[in-house]
Amino acid sequence: AQTVTQSQPEMSVQEAETVTLSCTYDTSESDYYLFWYKQPPSRQMILVIRQEAYKQQNATENRFSVNFQKAAKSFSLKISDSQLGDAAMYFCAYSGSGTYKYIFGTGTRLKVLA
Amino acid sequence: DTAVSQTPKYLVTQMGNDKSIKCEQNLGHDTMYWYKQDSKKFLKIMFSYNNKELIINETVPNRFSPKSPDKAHLNLHINSLELGDSAVYFCASSQSLSGGSYGYTFGSGTRLTVV
Repeated sequence: AQTVTQSQPEMSVQEAETVTLSCTYDTSESDYYLFWYKQPPSRQMILVIRQEAYKQQNATENRFSVNFQKAAKSFSLKISDSQLGDAAMYFCAYSGSGTYKYIFGTGTRLKVLA
Repeated sequence: DTAVSQTPKYLVTQMGNDKSIKCEQNLGHDTMYWYKQDSKKFLKIMFSYNNKELIINETVPNRFSPKSPDKAHLNLHINSLELGDSAVYFCASSQSLSGGSYGYTFGSGTRLTVV
């Protein structure tokens, strides 16, 4: 069975600085998708970024980028120029091709310090 | 115009009651899901429907019964509520079963509190 591990329950970053959130996963599949979702205090789940496992190029979305290491089964999220609005829970999620569901990690709470 | 809307946003009820949570999406998506987020923020799938057909039914007590009258709606009915059912329930949709690989659109969640 697939598992997703986020080993950092909480992280802090100074405004305008860079922070990296860690995620590792375990799977025997070769074709899958990985996601980072943001959950601010409003509770809304917002897709931040996605990565296709067959693509070696790391995904980027403005200030958000990932470091995808397929062999190491690692999928970290880098947030550059952190803003107060980035404060939220961040969830890493895995979706295997054909499994039609997400496996979520336990989340990392990110605090942004002014 | 909300893409995935859930009602109610908050629900407080007594043990033993029966309650329903409604979800509607106006995205034209074929697939809808229910996820449960527990008090430790852990998210886990409960059910998924594709074009009104039940696709995923995880290990969930049979007090929970989903119903999809059409592909735009997915409701969750819970019988004989227990304290342990207290959680946030999220509805989500994707364009198709495989469209989940592009990401879900989530509703804003329903916080259920059983007292």
